[in-house]
Amino acid sequence: AQSVAQPEDQVNVAEGNPLTVKCTYSVSGNPYLFWYVQYPNRGLQFLLKYITGDNLVKGSYGFEAEFNKSQTSFHLKKPSALVSDSALYFCAVRGPYNFNKFYFGSGTKLNVKP
Amino acid sequence: DTGVSQDPRHKITKRGQNVTFRCDPISEHNRLYWYRQTLGQGPEFLTYFQNEAQLEKSRLLSDRFSAERPKGSFSTLEIQRTEQGDSAMYLCASSLGQAGRNTEAFFGQGTRLTVV
Repeated sequence: AQSVAQPEDQVNVAEGNPLTVKCTYSVSGNPYLFWYVQYPNRGLQFLLKYITGDNLVKGSYGFEAEFNKSQTSFHLKKPSALVSDSALYFCAVRGPYNFNKFYFGSGTKLNVKP
Repeated sequence: DTGVSQDPRHKITKRGQNVTFRCDPISEHNRLYWYRQTLGQGPEFLTYFQNEAQLEKSRLLSDRFSAERPKGSFSTLEIQRTEQGDSAMYLCASSLGQAGRNTEAFFGQGTRLTVV
């Protein structure tokens, strides 16, 4: 069965420093991978996705993610964190055998301190 | 604003009452999903529609839950005889196309249900 793991419940980083939010997946084949962000009492906002091609994908708000097939990881990164990046981040996987749903990780709370 | 709207945003109900939530997806999206999210957890899949057809239901969706999408446009999620364990955020999402397997889903802001 497809699954996604986000090993860190919380990540703390100082403003201006680079940030990484980790995600690993457990799916055979070639899944589609996504990152979403959730602000308090709001729905999820799409950040970026990996379908195929270049392992480094760029998304909204300066975020990027690196797909690593050998490590089955899809870590979210940003070169310079902003206080406004503080939010809950979810990694999700879709496919490759069932495209009817997205499987989400448990989320990582990112705290960016000024 | 993603273009997916949900109503109401908040609902407080007494245990045993029925509640109904509505979702209006992005107009050209033929795929619609319902998810449930509890505090500290990621969204959990409930059900999926392609046009008006409900193609998949999670085992989380007990007999007290029913979802519809008449005419393949808006969708409703009804919970009968609510229980305190039903308290959660209910999220609706939509995505594009028959062949749009690689497309992202766009989420509404959710309906927060509190059962007292």
